Amino acid sequence: KAGVTQTPRYLIKTRGQQVTLSCSPISGHRSVSWYQQTPGQGLQFLFEYFSETQRNKGNFPGRFSGRQFSNSRSEMNVSTLELGDSALYLCASSNTLRESPLHFGNGTRLTVT
Amino acid sequence: AQTVTQSQPEMSVQEAETVTLSCTYDTSESDYYLFWYKQPPSRQMILVIRQEAYKQQNATENRFSVNFQKAAKSFSLKISDSQLGDAAMYFCAYRGRNSGNTPLVFGKGTRLSVIA
Repeated sequence: KAGVTQTPRYLIKTRGQQVTLSCSPISGHRSVSWYQQTPGQGLQFLFEYFSETQRNKGNFPGRFSGRQFSNSRSEMNVSTLELGDSALYLCASSNTLRESPLHFGNGTRLTVT
Repeated sequence: AQTVTQSQPEMSVQEAETVTLSCTYDTSESDYYLFWYKQPPSRQMILVIRQEAYKQQNATENRFSVNFQKAAKSFSLKISDSQLGDAAMYFCAYRGRNSGNTPLVFGKGTRLSVIA
């Protein structure tokens, strides 16, 4: 069974641009979560989707948004990029909202210059 | 809000020896899950072990075991017979079971080095 796939692995963007990251969950998994990982703040929760509905949202500005498609694939978008958005963005999937552990992808490393 | 604290930013262990990573958490919930994740340089977070709070028996996965002390809100990870491949960042994480759609809450991590 294929794991969680995140694309692209690396991205370099300029301040003010926008970016879209993609996540394909493990087949059969309907829940997708996104986390931001930085050296200073550690892992911070962005949002969680289940069956195309956002079920939970972390404490991030509205520039961070996401969505989930009918095939459970998810995208997250960051608009008007800031230097502080440079981070590793991790996606995780599970087959229910709470019962099973999260399975993570390899992440997308975003660098904002 | 729930918090997870890992008080050891870095640890080292000799190959074949045993090491224990500490984790404490704060919650008012009675039912929850606790996890240890490993993040090697490849960046992928890998689930090491999982503990359900209502189970008194400590979880074990091969060379990995936990010491779960619910009253003390402590959840330490013991790695026996350490191997070079165990070198990684280790994150302790908490997830509530009954309080709605709560996300996974992570500690800041412990970087484990294994010395040959």
